[in-house]
Amino acid sequence: QSALTQPASVSGSPGQSITISCTGTSSDVGSYNLVSWYQQHPGKAPKLMIYEVSKRPSGVSNRFSGSKSGNTASLTISGLQAEDEADYYCCSYAGSSTYYVFGTGTKVTVL
Amino acid sequence: QVQLVQSGAEVKKPGASVKVSCKASGYTFTSYGISWVRQAPGQGLEWMGWISAYNGNTNYAQKLQGRVTMTTDTSTSTAYMELRSLRSDDTAVYYCARGVATIDYWGQGTLVTVSS
Repeated sequence: QSALTQPASVSGSPGQSITISCTGTSSDVGSYNLVSWYQQHPGKAPKLMIYEVSKRPSGVSNRFSGSKSGNTASLTISGLQAEDEADYYCCSYAGSSTYYVFGTGTKVTVL
Repeated sequence: QVQLVQSGAEVKKPGASVKVSCKASGYTFTSYGISWVRQAPGQGLEWMGWISAYNGNTNYAQKLQGRVTMTTDTSTSTAYMELRSLRSDDTAVYYCARGVATIDYWGQGTLVTVSS
């Protein structure tokens, strides 16, 4: 099972909106609404930002939103802030033989 | 508050085994599965597998089948991940995390270094 494809890097200025894509296949992203997104700062454990495509855990800013179309899921960060600079990973359920697969990761830079 | 506290860093020789522990607190241990995820230096996250803390059922990533074993001790709310026949490319930070479909809490990570 190959990793889901994400852009290596995305950048934006403070206040802007950015979108990170996560492209899979009809066997994972396209078949299940079990896509989650994680934020990871250097040297830290990942943090859950979005689950089940578009649900936001308690305590996560509403500047983070998720969506899915076909085999591609997306994470949008609006009103970009310096603290959003981090690596972001998507993850999808991929059926009962593969189970879960992570994305390749995207480094977000706030200019 | 939910906490997952992992055991300390390990240095192992190729061919050896390592067993990482993950002690959970702040919630009912048997109500959630425990997932294990690893991250090689400078690389992305890799899903290793998960174990039901309720009944011990496991599911492992195909590439690790035969080398990994995940267990739990419900009396101490502790999960364990053992990886055998270690190779240099097993060098990574190993994370335990609560949940399966949605991983909501993570341990602090355990660095396992495989080197001769």
